[in-house]
Amino acid sequence: QLQLQESGPGLVKPSETLSLTCTVSGGSISAGGYYWAWIRQSPGKGLEWIGNIYHGGSTYYNPSLKSRLTISVDTSNNHFSLNLTSVTAADAAVYYCARLDLHSSSWYFDSWGQGTLVSVSS
Amino acid sequence: DIQMSQSPSSLSASAGDRVTITCRASQSISNYLNWYQQKPGKAPKVLIYDASSLQSGVSSRFSGSGSGTDFTLTISTLQPEDFATYYCQQSYSTPYTFGQGTKLEIK
Repeated sequence: QLQLQESGPGLVKPSETLSLTCTVSGGSISAGGYYWAWIRQSPGKGLEWIGNIYHGGSTYYNPSLKSRLTISVDTSNNHFSLNLTSVTAADAAVYYCARLDLHSSSWYFDSWGQGTLVSVSS
Repeated sequence: DIQMSQSPSSLSASAGDRVTITCRASQSISNYLNWYQQKPGKAPKVLIYDASSLQSGVSSRFSGSGSGTDFTLTISTLQPEDFATYYCQQSYSTPYTFGQGTKLEIK
């Protein structure tokens, strides 16, 4: 059974870079027909799609974050990562990694990690 | 960006009731609409994709309908485990966007 697990610091200082990794087990990140995604959830903004990456490296980013965002993939270690620079309090949220299933007309997030809470404070 | 609006924001119901949640898109999204259920402290779980297709393993008391801009999620006979928050999400275009959620509470 596919499992996704987020890891990374739970506390980031303002203006610094948030780095998270999602480790995929029970399946290959190189499997065709899926993107790998980051989504965050905060009380103020609800669920917000951050971006996707394909195993080949192609990415789609939310324009609201694009200037600060990098998503990368490491197929040899079956994980993908998020880097968000210059964080502010508005970036505090629960961050989820998820798999985006491309096999239907409406692509949907079919597997999710448990989520990791990121706080932003000095 | 495509804005997704759900109604109601919260709903009180009893076990055994039939409930309907509505989602409206700010522009036509054909059938590129998904529904998720989220319980406290847990990640969302997909229920419905393509507006009306039931995800494998999900109870048949969940059903979805709609196309274009207006969509509904119906739970035919509420079970205790159905009390949760429900979200719609469009995948017609990026950035993918979610509704604000509908919290289904026990009456």
